[in-house]
Amino acid sequence: QVQLQQSGAELAKPGSSVKISCKASGYTFTSYYISWIKQTTGQGLEYIGYINTGSGGTNYNEKFKGKATLTVDKSSSTAFMQLSSLTPDDSAVYYCASGYPNPWAWWGQGTLVTVSS
Amino acid sequence: DIQMTQSPSLLSASVGDRVTLNCKASQNINKNLNWYQQKLGEAPKLLIYYTNNLQTGIPSRFSGSGSGTDYTLTISSLQPEDVATYFCFQYNSGPTFGAGTKLELK
Repeated sequence: QVQLQQSGAELAKPGSSVKISCKASGYTFTSYYISWIKQTTGQGLEYIGYINTGSGGTNYNEKFKGKATLTVDKSSSTAFMQLSSLTPDDSAVYYCASGYPNPWAWWGQGTLVTVSS
Repeated sequence: DIQMTQSPSLLSASVGDRVTLNCKASQNINKNLNWYQQKLGEAPKLLIYYTNNLQTGIPSRFSGSGSGTDYTLTISSLQPEDVATYFCFQYNSGPTFGAGTKLELK
């Protein structure tokens, strides 16, 4: 069955970077885009952007340009999101999502990122 | 950005009740709207896509409707397992989510 398996929780220091992974299985990886979403108690759900898993082309929410960098490794059917120059405001649960017939049908289990000194 | 306003923010209902959740967009979103259910500690689960299409495996007591700026998720007969927070999500332009409606049992 379709599964998006995300990497484990991260504890990072302010100013550092983290790279989260999302490994897809159960379907042809390059058939569907992968999107990334941020969830916090205060701001709710925010759309970060998506990556075309076939071409590597990306589209970002203006708010996350310079903060998030989306990449893929087709050989391992894995999408990545790197978050840079971390601040406490980046502490959140991050989800990857993909799908058919709707591009946001399938979600990963989420990755908790905690930014603290 | 298109703002999505969900109402009510908290809803208390009894098992068997017909429940209606609302989502209003700040501009026409051309039915490009999904509804998600999120239980505590879990990822959001897609219930309805493109306003009124039931996702595979979702019980038929869930339905969606709407057009233009106003959309509705209806649960025809509330079940205990439906206790959750429900989010609307528009993807017509610069995707955005509503703040959610928390549904609890009375």
